[in-house]
Amino acid sequence: AQSVTQLGSHVSVSEGALVLLRCNYSSSVPPYLFWYVQYPNQGLQLLLKYTSAATLVKGINGFEAEFKKSETSFHLTKPSAHMSDAAEYFCAVRGTGTASKLTFGTGTRLQVTL
Amino acid sequence: EPEVTQTPSHQVTQMGQEVILRCVPISNHLYFYWYRQILGQKVEFLVSFYNNEISEKSEIFDDQFSVERPDGSNFTLKIRSTKLEDSAMYFCASSRGTGNNEQFFGPGTRLTVL
Repeated sequence: AQSVTQLGSHVSVSEGALVLLRCNYSSSVPPYLFWYVQYPNQGLQLLLKYTSAATLVKGINGFEAEFKKSETSFHLTKPSAHMSDAAEYFCAVRGTGTASKLTFGTGTRLQVTL
Repeated sequence: EPEVTQTPSHQVTQMGQEVILRCVPISNHLYFYWYRQILGQKVEFLVSFYNNEISEKSEIFDDQFSVERPDGSNFTLKIRSTKLEDSAMYFCASSRGTGNNEQFFGPGTRLTVL
């Protein structure tokens, strides 16, 4: 079964600092990987997805993620954090069944301080 | 921009009562999903629906749960006899296809079972 592991349930960075949220996947086949963001009391919004066209994927709000097969990782980064980035971030892998469900990681809560 | 909508936003019910959570997926999408998120926990898959039948369901989706697409636009989740542990945020999602096609999430219905 496919799965993702997010290291660090809470990450705190200063405004303007680098954001690094870690995600490792487990998959026997090339995975379909996604990062979603959840702002307080809201639903899930797609940040970016891995499409196999490029290992470095750019998403919305200045976020990007690099797919590294050798490390089975898909870490999310942003060069300079903004207060508005404070949210919960979920890495997810999509299965290969008929309707291919998403399997989410446990999430990382990002706190941005002044 | 098309979006997934869910009603109600918040449902409070007594234990043992039946509830129906409603979703209107994006109109040209073919795959439909329900997920839930217990407060403070990760998002969990419940069921996927394609071609008017369930494609996959999780172990959470027992005989108390059912899904229906009654009229070609709505997608409903019914819980026959609610339990305290059913209290959670329920998210509906839809997708145009499988693989790396994005699943679009609704804003969620917060179900509180008393």
